[in-house]
Amino acid sequence: GAVVSQHPSWVICKSGTSVKIECRSLDFQATTMFWYRQFPKQSLMLMATSNEGSKATYEQGVEKDKFLINHASLTLSTLTVTSAHPEDSSFYICSARDHVRISPTAFFGQGTRLTVV
Amino acid sequence: GQQVMQIPQYQHVQEGEDFTTYCNSSTTLSNIQWYKQRPGGHPVFLIQLVKSGEVKKQKRLTFQFGEAKKNSSLHITATQTTDVGTYFCAGLNYGGATNKLIFGTGTLLAVQP
Repeated sequence: GAVVSQHPSWVICKSGTSVKIECRSLDFQATTMFWYRQFPKQSLMLMATSNEGSKATYEQGVEKDKFLINHASLTLSTLTVTSAHPEDSSFYICSARDHVRISPTAFFGQGTRLTVV
Repeated sequence: GQQVMQIPQYQHVQEGEDFTTYCNSSTTLSNIQWYKQRPGGHPVFLIQLVKSGEVKKQKRLTFQFGEAKKNSSLHITATQTTDVGTYFCAGLNYGGATNKLIFGTGTLLAVQP
């Protein structure tokens, strides 16, 4: 099946610093990538939809200046958590959509566990 | 906005017992997908249902999509310890500039040997 690689798998950073998370589709081109956040024992909450070559579309309540998304190529999207605070600590997961396949709609990365201290 | 709810939130069964989780969307869906997430892991795709009233089976797992395309269910027959994890439904709505996959609240399944 299609593979989506997310890096890093975990990161610890100091409060006030920025962290960049990469999401790569390894064997297909992903025009659209999605970024989710998951708090412990909760569901995946869609943060934003990233479209190659254009600005990301953010869900209501998600600060676009804090969570910077760049989708510069058909195989790479990045999420940068700027000026991170402890409340940003969470599990961040990307998914990439393979428009050629009918099913499934998207493939998920392994996730990045961010801890802000 | 669109909401996708699942019940129950948590289910504890003895190995060999059956398990069912129900998924309800506030809006009509183009399709529904089911994922399994093991503790500490990422969601793993199980299946996609597209047609109204569709039923699909994968070994001990049976998936149904409601006639109105607003609800779905996952039934596991004779659970095994390997079935442990959180099961999420995810609804897809075609429309607008981008098709978004909205996840349900999830059902955590615990299986006691």
